[in-house]
Amino acid sequence: IQMTQSPSTLSASVGDRVTITCRASQNIKTWLAWYQQKPGKAPKLLIYKASTLESGVPSRFNGSGSGTEFILTIDSLQPDDFATYYCQQYDLYWSSFGQGTELEIK
Amino acid sequence: EVQLEESGGGLVQPGGSLRLSCVASGFTFSNYWMSWVRQVPGKGLEWVANMKQDGSETYYADPVRGRFTISRDNAKNSLNLQMSSLRVEDTAVYYCAREVLPNPWSTMGYLDSWGQGTLVTVSS
Repeated sequence: IQMTQSPSTLSASVGDRVTITCRASQNIKTWLAWYQQKPGKAPKLLIYKASTLESGVPSRFNGSGSGTEFILTIDSLQPDDFATYYCQQYDLYWSSFGQGTELEIK
Repeated sequence: EVQLEESGGGLVQPGGSLRLSCVASGFTFSNYWMSWVRQVPGKGLEWVANMKQDGSETYYADPVRGRFTISRDNAKNSLNLQMSSLRVEDTAVYYCAREVLPNPWSTMGYLDSWGQGTLVTVSS
């Protein structure tokens, strides 16, 4: 299953609302997770099952979608949110990630 | 606190072998599926392999199937990745991660805890 994220790079300012899209090449129901990664660090789980917020993750992060199209929305961007975001499908006998979306400060 | 610590990375020549280890603490290791994920420096994430709690099921990504072997020792809270016939394109940071499956019949899940990674460089 191919996962395609868009955009690849996103420029935004503190306080903005941003959306990142992840499309699957086939139906993955809601078996999708979102991760945040900062340079030199391991990825951090934000959302699983498409829309369930991981414990401790701020409520400004929101996931939605099912089937083949998924969205990660970040409300009121904070300085700590500038990072790279990845989606991951875990539907079948293998897992795969999107290519990543780098969220940079405008 | 969940902790995962990888070791065993380093420089190896093409065609060589290397064994990575990951020691877990802070949770009941034998209750969880575990995965390896790799990342070429500056590039995206690639799932490599995973293993069921008791070691009875394993799954591999196509690029590594037949060359890499995942294993675990629940008595030692450790996860291993034996890598052989290494290629230049296997160069990456390798992460071990704890995996949470959505239901009992699933074979894949999301990754809720990650180690800091260990760098494998395949070069002559």
